[in-house]
Amino acid sequence: QKEVEQNSGPLSVPEGAIASLNCTYSDRGSQSFFWYRQYSGKSPELIMSIYSNGDKEDGRFTAQLNKASQYVSLLIRDSQPSDSATYLCAVNMPPRSGGYNKLIFGAGTRLAVHP
Amino acid sequence: EPEVTQTPSHQVTQMGQEVILRCVPISNHLYFYWYRQILGQKVEFLVSFYNNEISEKSEIFDDQFSVERPDGSNFTLKIRSTKLEDSAMYFCASKERQITPQHFGDGTRLSIL
Repeated sequence: QKEVEQNSGPLSVPEGAIASLNCTYSDRGSQSFFWYRQYSGKSPELIMSIYSNGDKEDGRFTAQLNKASQYVSLLIRDSQPSDSATYLCAVNMPPRSGGYNKLIFGAGTRLAVHP
Repeated sequence: EPEVTQTPSHQVTQMGQEVILRCVPISNHLYFYWYRQILGQKVEFLVSFYNNEISEKSEIFDDQFSVERPDGSNFTLKIRSTKLEDSAMYFCASKERQITPQHFGDGTRLSIL
């Protein structure tokens, strides 16, 4: 079973619509969850972090976490063409043998926002 | 806003040569990481570093890899004898505390010929 799973997409939405991106994870001990945006050839850029069940809103972005279902999602309201990128779900996995919570990434969902 | 800086942005090296990738983490951060991303694939954890020692490493991080924090600001990744399959983007990341988010540098594109 993959540790962090995402639909690879592409997810195509019209400008102004809501884009919904989903992620599931395997380790119930995970404590913190992140969404990163990655433009082609660039580095991951932090969009949202979420630590407890429920919703967290920041501008046009809302992260949702359901630990019982091991599910994280990201909603992007009023999508813009500049939002077109790959969105990476990253989960802080508890250390197996020492260590301090490495990030495990999903493969990413490619979002395309068309005018 | 403070950021993680990485040099060089692109490194081209002959197979079998040693390379050193350099990173300057954000100044008040205590946890440091290296990740890599092979073209078209997911971002993969390589190694974490805290309190001047490796705290965790992945299966990828074999004896050919090493990390060092030679002074109070730099954090380096050395690959001793590069292989073709080491070609990838290498990202350095740092974070302030254990549960805070990791912030990534712009990456070094390593091309092995």
